[in-house]
Order: sequence, then structure tokens, then C-alpha cells
Amino acid sequence: SQQGEEDPQALSIQEGENATMNCSYKTSINNLQWYRQNSGRGLVHLILIRSNEREKHSGRLRVTLDTSKKSSSLLITASRAADTASYFCATDKIGAQKLVFGQGTRLTINP
Amino acid sequence: DAGVTQSPTHLIKTRGQQVTLRCSPKSGHDTVSWYQQALGQGPQFIFQYYEEEERQRGNFPDRFSGHQFPNYSSELNVNALLLGDSALYLCASSLVGTDPYEQYFGPGTRLTVT
Repeated sequence: SQQGEEDPQALSIQEGENATMNCSYKTSINNLQWYRQNSGRGLVHLILIRSNEREKHSGRLRVTLDTSKKSSSLLITASRAADTASYFCATDKIGAQKLVFGQGTRLTINP
Repeated sequence: DAGVTQSPTHLIKTRGQQVTLRCSPKSGHDTVSWYQQALGQGPQFIFQYYEEEERQRGNFPDRFSGHQFPNYSSELNVNALLLGDSALYLCASSLVGTDPYEQYFGPGTRLTVT
């Protein structure tokens, strides 16, 4: 079963706008990661945030983590058409080297 | 530096048949994990191989089995295929003991069962 839940399930915005996706999980975690997937292809790693971190930036990406609420958000600023993809959060636990994925958010950037 | 590779890219099988999917990990990695991704869903963990042994397993029936070879490459075997086995099968490689733990994914094999 999936641990994470993401919302919204689908998001459509205009190019240049910011996109925010949210992820919730159920149990304690070690790290939380975000991946991008284009058209049913392989997953591309975007950013990782440790459980003791609250915010992390990478280029146009900003990730926040609230372990008290068991939730994370991914913000993509100044969106581009090339950002159109599905985005997944994934968590891992200490001592368990496997990832548990959410169901993903389908992001569409309209030109 | 070659990334994770998978073969074949696409595969069509009939119910009841058996299938073998292959994965070569990223150079320097020693652990291979397999995931099943149904259409519109997130990937689900099948199992993980390290030192040629299955180390962890998700909630999948025994029809799903695997193998890891001395060169760290891996195979996923599925017996008695069901229509519900149609999915994208993703292989991911990693290096045991690394922290933070990151997995590198291959492009996947699209399996269609008719």
C-alpha cells in the first residue's frame, strides 16, 4: 500500500506561474525525496530533504518538511512548459533501504 | 558513467505466460530494487537485492521472483501472468549504507498482459 498521499492529483497552470504540490505520509521517516516522471518513463530525482531539515532549495525548486504534521510541499517557481510531468514524493525509514511513494501529482504547464 | 539500464523497453505477453525483465545498475552501485507502477499510480516496492540475496520484499505474491548476479545486475521474473500485472516495471540502483539514501532509476520496462 502507498504510504504517501499527494494533492492535488492534477494541477494545471499558466507558464510563468508558481506550482505547489503537497505530500502527506503516515509513519516516521528518515528522508523525503521528490521525483519527476515524464510520460510514463523513468523517475528523475529532484531533491532530498532529511527529517531534521525544514526547508531546502535547488534552483527553481523549494521543498519544505513539517514532521509534526507528516507533510511536505514542493514549490516550482516561474514554471516552464518543460515542467509538465508527474511529480512524486517518496519516503524512506532508518534501516529500510526502500522508498515508499505517493500517488503523484500530474502537473500541466500551459504556454 | 552509464546510468541504470533496463531491457526490454516494451513487452507484450499473454495471461499465464512467464516473463523476465533485466536491469544493469549504475556503475559503482551494489544494490538493486524493483518497483511496479500501475497506470496513474505511484511505484510500489517489489523487492531488493544485495549480495545476490533478496534483502527486503514488498507485498507481492511468490509469482514475483528475482535474482542478482555477481556483476550486480538483476532479473525480475513473473510467473503465471495476470492481466493485473500490466504495468511499468522500474529498476533502481543504490549503494548500500549511504546516507542520505538515494536510488537512481532506469527508464523502465512497459509490460502489457493480454
